[in-house]
Parts: sequence; C-alpha cells; structure tokens
Amino acid sequence: GNSVTQMEGPVTLSEEAFLTINCTYTATGYPSLFWYVQYPGEGLQLLLKATKADDKGSNKGFEATYRKETTSFHLEKGSVQVSDSAVYFCALSASSSGSARQLTFGSGTQLTVLP
Amino acid sequence: SQTIHQWPATLVQPVGSPLSLECTVEGTSNPNLYWYRQAAGRGLQLLFYSVGIGQISSEVPQNLSASRPQDRQFILSSKKLLLSDSGFYLCAWSKGQVFYGYTFGSGTRLTVV
Repeated sequence: GNSVTQMEGPVTLSEEAFLTINCTYTATGYPSLFWYVQYPGEGLQLLLKATKADDKGSNKGFEATYRKETTSFHLEKGSVQVSDSAVYFCALSASSSGSARQLTFGSGTQLTVLP
Repeated sequence: SQTIHQWPATLVQPVGSPLSLECTVEGTSNPNLYWYRQAAGRGLQLLFYSVGIGQISSEVPQNLSASRPQDRQFILSSKKLLLSDSGFYLCAWSKGQVFYGYTFGSGTRLTVV
C-alpha cells in the first residue's frame, strides 16, 4: 500500500538557520506529493505541491523537489523565521476505490524556531 | 471562492454522551468530503470519506459514524462517546478528477471527560 515516512521531530532551529525535513514515500503508480503546515490550534494549510517527477513546488520561501529515483520529497528553506514554527506534514495522493482521491499523510514534524 | 466551515471549534462532552460535528462547503458542487482525526501529538487518521450524497466509506471501525444529507454537508456523529474519542477533528474537501490536494476546515477540538 501507500505510505509516507517523515523525519521524526521535534526539530529546533535558531532564526535564519537552514531547514530540511526529510520525506520519503512508497506508492504504486505516479502519486502527487504535498507538504501541509499546521499552526497551533488550526487546521492544515497546503504549503506546496508537485504532481510529477522533477517538479519543484515552492511557496513562502519553502521548496521541495519530487525525486522519483529516490522516492523523496524533502522540504527545505534557506532561512527560517520564528513564524515558521508549526507542524509540517508530508502527504501523497493516490487513487482509491470509487472516485475519491485520498491523501496519505506522514506522522508530522514539529518545528520550533528560536529567536 | 470556495470555503469550508466546521463547528463547533471546541467541545467538552462527558463519556457516554452523543456527538454531532458539522462541516459545510460553499462555492462548489459535488465535492469529495473527508473526516480526519488527529490525536494529541499524533498524525492524521482518515475516518470517513464521501463521494456523493448518502455515500459514505469508513476507513476505521469505531463507534463513530458519518452522514452526508446534502451535497455540501458532512456530519460526524456518535451515539455514546468514549474517552478515546478525544482529539482534533478535521473536515476536508477535494474536487473532481484533477487532484490538487485537500482544503481543510479549521478543526474541532473534542475533549471527552
């Protein structure tokens, strides 16, 4: 079946540090890949996505590249801010029974950025 | 534009009491709808999804149920809550054959006491 493995947290960084959160996946076919962010007490927001191999998703200074050869979609940011403190979820989409596409999520990585 | 509403935002219920959480989507038709649960410090667990009115698929056997009485309304229910039902419940929607991911509601924090 489909699965997503995320780097375990928590991750604590100083402001302006470089961020990498690793994500690898197992899937049949050609899934789409996503990163979601969850700020404290809120729902999940789509951060970026990539729908085919070698695509790079980017948003708010975050980037991730769909690497089919390594089945990875690592999240990176060159200089984190305190406001980036949140939980980050990697996810993939795959077909399921019926017509509903489902997202399979990783376990989430808590990021704390210190001033 | 499309919006998703979820309520209530927080809920404290005694063990054995009933539950009803509601989710509605505006600005689209025939969405795919989903209920997820997030236990404290844990990842997301898909509970139910629906591709149309009256069509519910259950992913995890439990004492919860879901219904879709209208195209853009999705309800999560329980007849008798358990302590283990505590968590953060998220509704989400997606659209059509071209898949751009889900849009999530703001969530309901349920505490069973």
